[in-house]
Amino acid sequence: GESVGLHLPTLSVQEGDNSIINCAYSNSASDYFIWYKQESGKGPQFIIDIRSNMDKRQGQRVTVLLNKTVKHLSLQIAATQPGDSAVYFCAENSRFGNEKLTFGTGTRLTIIP
Amino acid sequence: DAMVIQNPRYQVTQFGKPVTLSCSQTLNHNVMYWYQQKSSQAPKLLFHYYDKDFNNEADTPDNFQSRRPNTSFCFLDIRSPGLGDAAMYLCATSRDTGFQQFFGPGTRLTVL
Repeated sequence: GESVGLHLPTLSVQEGDNSIINCAYSNSASDYFIWYKQESGKGPQFIIDIRSNMDKRQGQRVTVLLNKTVKHLSLQIAATQPGDSAVYFCAENSRFGNEKLTFGTGTRLTIIP
Repeated sequence: DAMVIQNPRYQVTQFGKPVTLSCSQTLNHNVMYWYQQKSSQAPKLLFHYYDKDFNNEADTPDNFQSRRPNTSFCFLDIRSPGLGDAAMYLCATSRDTGFQQFFGPGTRLTVL
């Protein structure tokens, strides 16, 4: 059967509060970053992306912040809802090399009603 | 709606019995990817096709093969599944490398 996976970092947030999920990346050549949401038993779903010529991008209830100096990416979700409970992955892509997406470890977000 | 479709959603096979998973897309994207995802882990890229050009990841076992007969379809063949191959298999597409990848719902493979 399936092997036991790694323990995901977890974050629990009260419904209605804001949540911040952080991600560190190591490749200074990365120029494109994506946040994905993955609910149990489903494929990753695109949330928001940002290119390295920007440091902030906003979507509906979500904001991505990029700090290239410290190679840090964050996803802010405003006014969390029960449907926000999922695993969130950051992914980075480099313009150089074979340009594949490199996924971060993932963070499990649980919204407490 | 344009989308990435994977069939079947659940697949059970026996140890050593070849199995094929399928992916189709209506997005007309150039690139199609296959990922393996185990419990509580990030997706791991196995290989991708850019049009007809196959790009294998260095650490993908030879047991895993892929075919892309046309733009819309891509198949993952596991020649002799082992217990360690039980996982979720995700197909994704993108317009080009370096762009957003659109994922299918995945196929959950169980190996008995």
